[in-house]
Amino acid sequence: EPEVTQTPSHQVTQMGQEVILRCVPISNHLYFYWYRQILGQKVEFLVSFYNNEISEKSEIFDDQFSVERPDGSNFTLKIRSTKLEDSAMYFCASTQSAPNEKLFFGSGTQLSVL
Amino acid sequence: GENVEQHPSTLSVQEGDSAVIKCTYSDSASNYFPWYKQELGKRPQLIIDIRSNVGEKKDQRIAVTLNKTAKHFSLHITETQPEDSAVYFCAASNYGNNRLAFGKGNQVVVIP
Repeated sequence: EPEVTQTPSHQVTQMGQEVILRCVPISNHLYFYWYRQILGQKVEFLVSFYNNEISEKSEIFDDQFSVERPDGSNFTLKIRSTKLEDSAMYFCASTQSAPNEKLFFGSGTQLSVL
Repeated sequence: GENVEQHPSTLSVQEGDSAVIKCTYSDSASNYFPWYKQELGKRPQLIIDIRSNVGEKKDQRIAVTLNKTAKHFSLHITETQPEDSAVYFCAASNYGNNRLAFGKGNQVVVIP
């Protein structure tokens, strides 16, 4: 079965540094997402991406965050200047059909900001 | 925005018994309700979903019920097995937006 892949699985960075989290969605999927989960809290929506542009973003997704689909396969999340509170598990997801429906999640990137 | 709450946070059941997890939602416009299962160290995986135009959906040992009036929906697992042990997340969304609002998750432990 096709899977969403994410790299790296773990990322440790110093506060103020830039990080790029990488994802390869399933190849025939059209909608792409980033979610995050701070330890012990809910899975939170960050951003959705469709037709090469952001379709929706949450209040968490401020100017420090950006997404890009630089080629036909990769989907990246960049955090320009990381803060301690950015430490979380970041999940990429994609879906072929309507937005939100039958999301396929990646295995996540655990980001630790020191 | 939508707020989804799950109860209980942890549920222990004897193998073979049934498990029920309940979620409530706040936005009456929500019309799509998926359930995801996350085993330890693995990715969340969709196990069942329901739209607001039906009240119940079943897939083998798993069923979901929806009460739109009360704004709650429940996951039912019958004849539980050790491999059902996982964290289960409910979520809600509507066609007007591109985000899922998740509950906090329930840890289900099936005791052999």
